[in-house]
Amino acid sequence: RKEVEQDPGPFNVPEGATVAFNCTYSNSASQSFFWYRQDCRKEPKLLMSVYSSGNEDGRFTAQLNRASQYISLLIRDSKLSDSATYLCVTSYGNKLVFGAGTILRVKS
Amino acid sequence: GAGVSQSPSNKVTEKGKDVELRCDPISGHTALYWYRQSLGQGLEFLIYFQGNSAPDKSGLPSDRFSAERTGGSVSTLTIQRTQQEDSAVYLCASSSPGLMAFFGQGTRLTVV
Repeated sequence: RKEVEQDPGPFNVPEGATVAFNCTYSNSASQSFFWYRQDCRKEPKLLMSVYSSGNEDGRFTAQLNRASQYISLLIRDSKLSDSATYLCVTSYGNKLVFGAGTILRVKS
Repeated sequence: GAGVSQSPSNKVTEKGKDVELRCDPISGHTALYWYRQSLGQGLEFLIYFQGNSAPDKSGLPSDRFSAERTGGSVSTLTIQRTQQEDSAVYLCASSSPGLMAFFGQGTRLTVV
C-alpha cells in the first residue's frame, strides 16, 4: 500500500463548480499535512497547510479526518486558473511524503 | 537567494555520460529531498537527507544514481552512465523537519 494515495483524476468541471479531492494516508502517526499545487511544467508550490480543526483560505477548504486517515480539499466557485495537479502531502517521521497528485481541469 | 536554487536548469547529455545536478537549499533548512518527474507523471521520490543522519536512499532506482550533501547544505545528485530512461525533470526541495517543503525550479535532463 502506498503511504499516500490520491485519485489521479482527471476531474473535469465547469467554471463555478464545487469540486472535492480526498487523499488517504497509511501512517497513523503522521503529524503534518499539506496540499500543494503543481502547474504544468512548473515545480510544486504550497497551497495550504491542513490543520486538525479544518481550515479555509478563500475558496479553498481543507479538512483532516485522523480516525479515517484522510485529508480533503474543497474548491468552491472553480476558476479556469484552478486547473492544475493537486498533491496531498503528509509527514512520515520527519520526512514529507507526496502523493502522486489529482489532476483538475476547469472548463468554460 | 531566498529560495531553493538548482543548476543547471537544462542539461542535454549523450547516453553513457555522467551528469551532476546541483541543489542549493534554503539557508537553515536541515531536510533536503530529491525527486524525479517524467512527463505527465507524478513525483518519484529519490533520496532524503536530514541533518547529520544517514540519508534515506530507498528511492534511488539503480546504483547508477548517487547523491551527497556536503556540510549539511549543498547537495549533488550524480547519475552515471546515463540512459534514455533517465530523461526527466529532477526536482530538489528543502524544509525544516516535518514542515512545509519548498521546491527549486528543477533541472530538465535530456539523454540523447
